[in-house]
Amino acid sequence: KQEVTQIPAALSVPEGENLVLNCSFTDSAIYNLQWFRQDPGKGLTSLLLIQSSQREQTSGRLNASLDKSSGRSTLYIAASQPGDSATYLCAVRTTSGSRLTFGEGTQLTVNP
Amino acid sequence: AAGVIQSPRHLIKEKRETATLKCYPIPRHDTVYWYQQGPGQDPQFLISFYEKMQSDKGSIPDRFSAQQFSDYHSELNMSSLELGDSALYFCASSFWTSGPTGELFFGEGSRLTVL
Repeated sequence: KQEVTQIPAALSVPEGENLVLNCSFTDSAIYNLQWFRQDPGKGLTSLLLIQSSQREQTSGRLNASLDKSSGRSTLYIAASQPGDSATYLCAVRTTSGSRLTFGEGTQLTVNP
Repeated sequence: AAGVIQSPRHLIKEKRETATLKCYPIPRHDTVYWYQQGPGQDPQFLISFYEKMQSDKGSIPDRFSAQQFSDYHSELNMSSLELGDSALYFCASSFWTSGPTGELFFGEGSRLTVL
């Protein structure tokens, strides 16, 4: 059974800081991995999708990396802004068509 | 671009009542997934359908049932509602096969409050 863990559970940083969110998964035989953002009480916004054959994906100030062999992914946020404050969720898909298994998320607060 | 549409967005029910949530996937997506997210929790997988057949089952209570119709929309039926069923219910859709990317796209969610 795939299990996904995210560290830290919560993070508070000053505006402008670069930061890294961590995600680990127990079964390295994954199909793809998605990073999501969720604002309180709102829906899931997909940030980045990394296929199992890829090592990283970039979108603006966001960069996600994937190391399948070690069962880890990181989400790097450059020059953080207060608007980045949200919960960030990592989710793994084991095979084509299979469910996404989510981590518990990292709650990020960026202070002005 | 068309997204996943969920209705209703908000629903308030009494204990022991019944509720039905609807999901309209992105056009041409053949797979639908349902998730439940309680307060402060991560989304938990309930059930999924591929080409109108159940493809996977997670932690869905026996009081809940779901189906996918010929037009690929899906409905989640919840009976004998309990206070603990209060949650945000998400629907997602994707291509079963690799398609462009195998990405899951989520709707905005339906918030169910059981009083």
